[in-house]
Order: sequence, then C-alpha cells, then structure tokens
Amino acid sequence: TAGITQAPTSQILAAGRSMTLRCTQDMRHNAMYWYRQDLGLGLRLIHYSNTAGTTGKGEVPDGYSVSRANTDDFPLTLASAVPSQTSVYFCASSPGGQSIEAFFGQGTRLTVV
Amino acid sequence: QKEVEQNSGPLSVPEGAIASLNCTYSDRVSQSFFWYRQYSGKSPELIMSIYSNGDKEDGRFTAQLNKASQYVSLLIRDSQPSDSATYLCAVNKGLDSGYALNFGKGTSLLVTP
Repeated sequence: TAGITQAPTSQILAAGRSMTLRCTQDMRHNAMYWYRQDLGLGLRLIHYSNTAGTTGKGEVPDGYSVSRANTDDFPLTLASAVPSQTSVYFCASSPGGQSIEAFFGQGTRLTVV
Repeated sequence: QKEVEQNSGPLSVPEGAIASLNCTYSDRVSQSFFWYRQYSGKSPELIMSIYSNGDKEDGRFTAQLNKASQYVSLLIRDSQPSDSATYLCAVNKGLDSGYALNFGKGTSLLVTP
C-alpha cells in the first residue's frame, strides 16, 4: 500500500518563483493536511481539508494556497516563494473526525534561495 | 503560547531501561492524544493514540493520560538503541481546525548500548 505520496522529495527554488508541492493518498481518507517543520519550531499546520471541495487555514497560511478537487489529491502552492518558506513540508491524511489518527507522507525538503 | 509542551531533551537512557517522555497541553476540551516517533530526516510515524484517562499498553509502549492534570506521557520499556529518535506529542485541535493535530516540539531520546 502506497499510503501518502509527496513529490518532489526535494527542491531548490529561486525566490519569486512559484511551485506546487504534490500530495496524493490512496487510503480514501476524508481529511488532509499540510504541515511545515522547522528547527526549533516543530510542526505547524498550514492548511487543511476536511473533505473534497473544502479547505481551511491553519496556523501559518500566508504565502500558501491549497485546493481539494477530489478525495485523493491535496496540492500546496507557493505563488511567489520567499527564503522564509525554506522548510520541510509534510502532507498528512486522516479518515476524519476527532479520534482518528493521522498518517504522514515522506516529506518535501524545499530550499528557497 | 505553545499549546503542547515537551522537554526538548536530549533524554539519555541505557539500553534495557525505561524511558519516560512527558507532555502537557493547555486546551481542556482536547479529547484525542497521540505519540509520534520521528527518526532524523524521516516523517513522523504514529506509535500510540489514547483517548481516555488511564493507561494504554501496546508492546513495549505505554501511553498514560490524565485529563484533569492535562498531562500525557509515553513509557518505553526495555529501551533499545533503535528507539533513539525524536518523540512528538500531538493533541487534536478540534472541529475549528479540521481536527488537525497540534504538535509539541518533540523530545529527543538517545538509548545508549
């Protein structure tokens, strides 16, 4: 079972350029999430989606946008990258609801120069 | 104010000993609590979930929850060098954040042979 697949694994991006981080899950989970992980700051929620067609803002949404056209895919777009967006990005999914565990993709390491 | 607090460590224990990892949270209405293990350069991996006061055991791992004290812990018995990792405590945010997880910054555990 593939679970959650993120692409690319790593990327170096010039400041000002745009980029979409891809996330696909094959578990038919309703909920999906994007987190960023930075040294000393831990994992922080960027955006979430409870179900296809709906999205919401997390703790650090500025500079990022998401869409949820279907159950399986939850891409994260940086419209105009800045160096402070250098981070490791994790996509996660959950069946949905409060008592259900979340599972993570392998992560995307993004460096904005 | 960070809502989930953990000692950053490192916590060093000898092989075969019990490792005790602690976490406090600020949101009294939280209902779901999770422990994730993260090896360096890897994604978080769910190892335990707990929803009710008391203890929950799974192999060498025991999660303990005390909602009155807003305290959750993880005990690792017979610690092995392969348990050396960062352990993340996570609390479910609730409906307003799509039931996303709020993470502590993690405790680094080192098990020495």
